[in-house]
Amino acid sequence: SQTIHQWPATLVQPVGSPLSLECTVEGTSNPNLYWYRQAAGRGLQLLFYSVGIGQISSEVPQNLSASRPQDRQFILSSKKLLLSDSGFYLCAWRYGGVGNSPLHFGNGTRLTVT
Amino acid sequence: DAKTTQPTSMDCAEGRAANLPCNHSTISGNEYVYWYRQIHSQGPQYIIHGLKNNETNEMASLIITEDRKSSTLILPHATLRDTAVYYCIVLSGGGADGLTFGKGTHLIIQP
Repeated sequence: SQTIHQWPATLVQPVGSPLSLECTVEGTSNPNLYWYRQAAGRGLQLLFYSVGIGQISSEVPQNLSASRPQDRQFILSSKKLLLSDSGFYLCAWRYGGVGNSPLHFGNGTRLTVT
Repeated sequence: DAKTTQPTSMDCAEGRAANLPCNHSTISGNEYVYWYRQIHSQGPQYIIHGLKNNETNEMASLIITEDRKSSTLILPHATLRDTAVYYCIVLSGGGADGLTFGKGTHLIIQP
């Protein structure tokens, strides 16, 4: 069966510090991968998605970036965090090439920028 | 992708069936209806999806009207653990696009 791992579960970072969140998927090959953010009391916002190694599509311009160095690894980064980057970050995957495949989410990382 | 409309909140008694409605009057022929739920402080959980036929799995049933302009998610025997925000999302098959989440319905199961 397929599993998705995100870490860390919680993170407190000062303003201006860098960020690296990692997500890995097991049990499948060539998945589509997604990063979402949920600010406090707000809805889920799609940030990035990837259909293959090195292929990143950005949905929202901001000071975050994403990379996919390996088939089942998706990384969310920032060079300098802002207070507004606080939120609940979720990674998700779906089968690549299967159009109606549902997304499956990880347990998320709760980021607080102080 | 078609827009969906859901009630902001609903109550249901424990042990009864919870019926959550969703309107998607602008849905197009290749768009699927997906349902997710999010329990506080957790990632969204996939429940069920369908195109035009009714679907059932171990969690719920999905009833889609014949004209596909609305659907109902049915939790047959609601428990307190079913208290969550439920999202109805419409997305076309065949693409890599992510799901766009609206505000959903906050379902509260009453003891």
